[in-house]
Amino acid sequence: NAGVTQTPKFQVLKTGQSMTLQCAQDMNHEYMSWYRQDPGMGLRLIHYSVGAGITDQGEVPNGYNVSRSTTEDFPLRLLSAAPSQTSVYFCASRSGGSATEAFFGQGTRLTVV
Amino acid sequence: EDKVVQSPLSLVVHEGDTVTLNCSYEVTNFRSLLWYKQEKKAPTFLFMLTSSGIEKKSGRLSSILDKKELFSILNITATQTGDSAVYLCAPAGGTSYGKLTFGQGTILTVHP
Repeated sequence: NAGVTQTPKFQVLKTGQSMTLQCAQDMNHEYMSWYRQDPGMGLRLIHYSVGAGITDQGEVPNGYNVSRSTTEDFPLRLLSAAPSQTSVYFCASRSGGSATEAFFGQGTRLTVV
Repeated sequence: EDKVVQSPLSLVVHEGDTVTLNCSYEVTNFRSLLWYKQEKKAPTFLFMLTSSGIEKKSGRLSSILDKKELFSILNITATQTGDSAVYLCAPAGGTSYGKLTFGQGTILTVHP
């Protein structure tokens, strides 16, 4: 059982480049979220989705786009990378309902130079 | 705007000590609160709390929720060096309870 799969694990971008971080889950979970984690910080919510076709902004959405065309996939797009977006990115999924555990991908370490 | 505050931000103790980690929250449409442990990789699940006053236990770890005062506590007794980690709390709420907002975490360091 794969769980939550993020790709790539590591990425170096130049300022101004765009890219997509991929996240896929095989647990048929309704909820999916993207977080970024900076050194010494907790997880900050970028965007989240409560089902296919439904997304909403978190605490730090600027510079990122998401879409949810299928239940399984929730890609995160960086439109024009900036050094401030250097971070570790985690994708998480949860089954629907009011009290469910979140499962995390292994993370993507992104460096923008 | 949702708000989650953890305290202390960092804590240094010796093996055998007991620690109490705090999490206060203000989230829209609150339904449950989750605790996670993170050791240099993805967070791992510890507890999920939905009802006030009911203590959850797992070995040396325990946690309780107060929905009236909007806080939760994570206790670790007889700490070990393997407990060194970042501890994160996350209340779930928002639209369809799908929004999971994390606090900034408590960095726990346990010395031998």
